[in-house]
Amino acid sequence: NAGVTQTPKFQVLKTGQSMTLQCAQDMNHNSMYWYRQDPGMGLRLIYYSASEGTTDKGEVPNGYNVSRLNKREFSLRLESAAPSQTSVYFCASSEGGTLTEAFFGQGTRLTVV
Amino acid sequence: GQQVMQIPQYQHVQEGEDFTTYCNSSTTLSNIQWYKQRPGGHPVFLIQLVKSGEVKKQKRLTFQFGEAKKNSSLHITATQTTDVGTYFCAGLLNTNAGKSTFGDGTTLTVKP
Repeated sequence: NAGVTQTPKFQVLKTGQSMTLQCAQDMNHNSMYWYRQDPGMGLRLIYYSASEGTTDKGEVPNGYNVSRLNKREFSLRLESAAPSQTSVYFCASSEGGTLTEAFFGQGTRLTVV
Repeated sequence: GQQVMQIPQYQHVQEGEDFTTYCNSSTTLSNIQWYKQRPGGHPVFLIQLVKSGEVKKQKRLTFQFGEAKKNSSLHITATQTTDVGTYFCAGLLNTNAGKSTFGDGTTLTVKP
């Protein structure tokens, strides 16, 4: 049972490049989330999807787009990467939204130069 | 501005000493969750508190939710080196449409 799987684990981008971070969960969870974590800080919510077919903005959505492809997969896209987007990105899922525990992926360490 | 504040930011203890981290919100919380993140790792769920005044224990860890549901604490008795990491609280604000807000975390280091 893999839980939440994120790809890639590491990525270096040049300013202006685009990329998509992939996330998949095999726990049949309804809700999925994308967070970013900057050094010495907590996790800030970028986007979340309460259920298949819905997405909503979190605290820091600017510069990002998401797609809830199906119940298992939730991708995060950076259309034009900026150095300020250098961070560790975590995908998470939960069965019943923020009323239930969230399971996190291993994270993607992104550097934009 | 940030609605869930966590203190202290860092705590260094000698193995065997106790440790406490506090989480405070300016608004009432529907629930609060606690997570632990080991260095280089990902957050792992520890517990969720829902009721006013609730106290839960997990071995050496004691979690409390304040009577007004605006604050919470995590206390570790007799720390061990395996307790090192960053402890985060995540509060679900009544007014925030189901989006939990994470505190900045307390990073615990334990000297053997």
